[in-house]
Amino acid sequence: NAGVTQTPKFQVLKTGQSMTLQCAQDMNHEYMSWYRQDPGMGLRLIHYSVGAGITDQGEVPNGYNVSRSTTEDFPLRLLSAAPSQTSVYFCASSHSGQGRVQPQHFGDGTRLSIL
Amino acid sequence: KNQVEQSPQSLIILEGKNCTLQCNYTVSPFSNLRWYKQDTGRGPVSLTIMTFSENTKSNGRYTATLDADTKQSSLHITASQLSDSASYICVVSENAGNMLTFGGGTRLMVKP
Repeated sequence: NAGVTQTPKFQVLKTGQSMTLQCAQDMNHEYMSWYRQDPGMGLRLIHYSVGAGITDQGEVPNGYNVSRSTTEDFPLRLLSAAPSQTSVYFCASSHSGQGRVQPQHFGDGTRLSIL
Repeated sequence: KNQVEQSPQSLIILEGKNCTLQCNYTVSPFSNLRWYKQDTGRGPVSLTIMTFSENTKSNGRYTATLDADTKQSSLHITASQLSDSASYICVVSENAGNMLTFGGGTRLMVKP
């Protein structure tokens, strides 16, 4: 049971480039979400999904897009990378009943640097 | 504005000792409170989750308490081990769990 798998683990981008952070879970969880974690700050919710085909914005959605075509996958797209998006990104999932965006299982993160 | 304050920011203890981490919140209406452990370079791992009616919950050597009247929670670690070195994050959920507020975490270092 792999849990929540994030790829890549590390990435360096130049300002203006775009990329997709991948997230997959094998627990058949309905809820998935993306967070960013910055030094000295708590985790902040970017986008979340309550099921395939349904997504919504979190606290800091600007500059990011998501889609949920399957239960298993929830990719996060950076449209035009900016240095302010340098951060560690975590994907999380949970069963229904834990709250709409209550994370139960986290991936190990993608460490992203924007030059 | 909902806030979750954790203290201390960092803590160093000797292996085998006990310690208590604090979490104070202003989130209302309250739904539940969860403690996570985050090892360096890893994602957070859920330790305990408590609803309004629960005062205490244990997970091995970890015991969380909740006082919903004073809006305070604590995480007590008994007989600390080197593997307890990590950041501990308190997360409070508003009613129905639609919104979460994360604390900034307490960084614990256990020394031999």
